[in-house]
Amino acid sequence: DADVTQTPRNRITKTGKRIMLECSQTKGHDRMYWYRQDPGLGLRLIYYSFDVKDINKGEISDGYSVSRQAQAKFSLSLESAIPNQTALYFCATSDLLETQYFGPGTRLLVL
Amino acid sequence: GQNIDQPTEMTATEGAIVQINCTYQTSGFNGLFWYQQHAGEAPTFLSYNVLDGLEEKGRFSSFLSRSKGYSYLLLKELQMKDSASYLCAVRGGYNKLIFGAGTRLAVHP
Repeated sequence: DADVTQTPRNRITKTGKRIMLECSQTKGHDRMYWYRQDPGLGLRLIYYSFDVKDINKGEISDGYSVSRQAQAKFSLSLESAIPNQTALYFCATSDLLETQYFGPGTRLLVL
Repeated sequence: GQNIDQPTEMTATEGAIVQINCTYQTSGFNGLFWYQQHAGEAPTFLSYNVLDGLEEKGRFSSFLSRSKGYSYLLLKELQMKDSASYLCAVRGGYNKLIFGAGTRLAVHP
């Protein structure tokens, strides 16, 4: 079984809709992250959490929110989706050296 | 500001050696990572350098010069399956990773 899982793997939604992307991990790591990846821009950090009670904004948090429900679960919400949020979204966990372990990604299309 | 630069694309021949360069300017430095990402898949960890010098791991080696803000990933005995994007990432201040845009490597016969 995969150590980091994401659901859904693919999602098409309409402008203005609220959607949630979910991430679960079995690696036992405290640190979890949400990134988005766009062609030519690399991975950009949206939010990160160093433990259940610690949530921090990344470089592009506007339009997103997160919830850390447990050590193993970290979800990302788009309150009102817009087309420029169309991207590939990755969840990741890390050990103390910050070696990141990525989930398989969620491909999101906002129409 | 914070900036990580790497070439956008490279091509190489199967069996050859290729070097992918990465230069960085970041506020704080706590290590440099290289990740491999095949198209449509998640990035996977390749190497980590925190001290100057060369780290060798099988066909892959990674070099770091902190004074020059420079790293490279060396891939030897290239195989077709090495066709992928290679991401340079710096662990900067507050222990956050900053990623470069990636280098897309195409290996041809």
